[in-house]
Amino acid sequence: SQKIEQNSEALNIQEGKTATLTCNYTNYSPAYLQWYRQDPGRGPVFLLLIRENEKEKRKERLKVTFDTTLKQSLFHITASQPADSATYLCALENTGNQFYFGTGTSLTVIP
Amino acid sequence: NAGVTQTPKFRVLKTGQSMTLLCAQDMNHEYMYWYRQDPGMGLRLIHYSVGEGTTAKGEVPDGYNVSRLKKQNFLLGLESAAPSQTSVYFCATTSGPPTDTQYFGPGTRLTVL
Repeated sequence: SQKIEQNSEALNIQEGKTATLTCNYTNYSPAYLQWYRQDPGRGPVFLLLIRENEKEKRKERLKVTFDTTLKQSLFHITASQPADSATYLCALENTGNQFYFGTGTSLTVIP
Repeated sequence: NAGVTQTPKFRVLKTGQSMTLLCAQDMNHEYMYWYRQDPGMGLRLIHYSVGEGTTAKGEVPDGYNVSRLKKQNFLLGLESAAPSQTSVYFCATTSGPPTDTQYFGPGTRLTVL
């Protein structure tokens, strides 16, 4: 069956360091992968999309990589700030317009 | 523009009661989705619609029905609520390929006693 796994449920890092979150998937061949941010009590907010033919995508302090051979995406936040504390979700689209989400990684940036 | 709104924000039901959750969007998007989010389970797709008058089953459709009579509205119905349907429900919309960026509503927290 199709499965999306995100690394440890919770990740704590010191302010200013780089946070690296992992998304692994099995039994998918996605055309692209998305990352979302979710704050407590709110709906997810789109951050980045990376296509299967792109190795890396950047947006300000965010960087996403996509390795279709390893079936893995890495999400990096450089120079992390306490305001980056949130839960981060990865999502894949299956054929037929259905989206599958990972369970999320809760990131806490410690001042 | 309000984006994606959901009504109600909170609701408590007794087992066996019925209710309808409303999702409304002013983004003129074709695609609309209903998800539920449970601790440790992530977001799971219940039903979705690729246009007015169309609906399709997602990953966990049992116990739910949907309707998309107008492009801007997507209704999620629970005919006979069960405690297992206690969850946070999110609606989302996209304009469709190739971007497929999903815009989410604020969620509805439903408790079934």
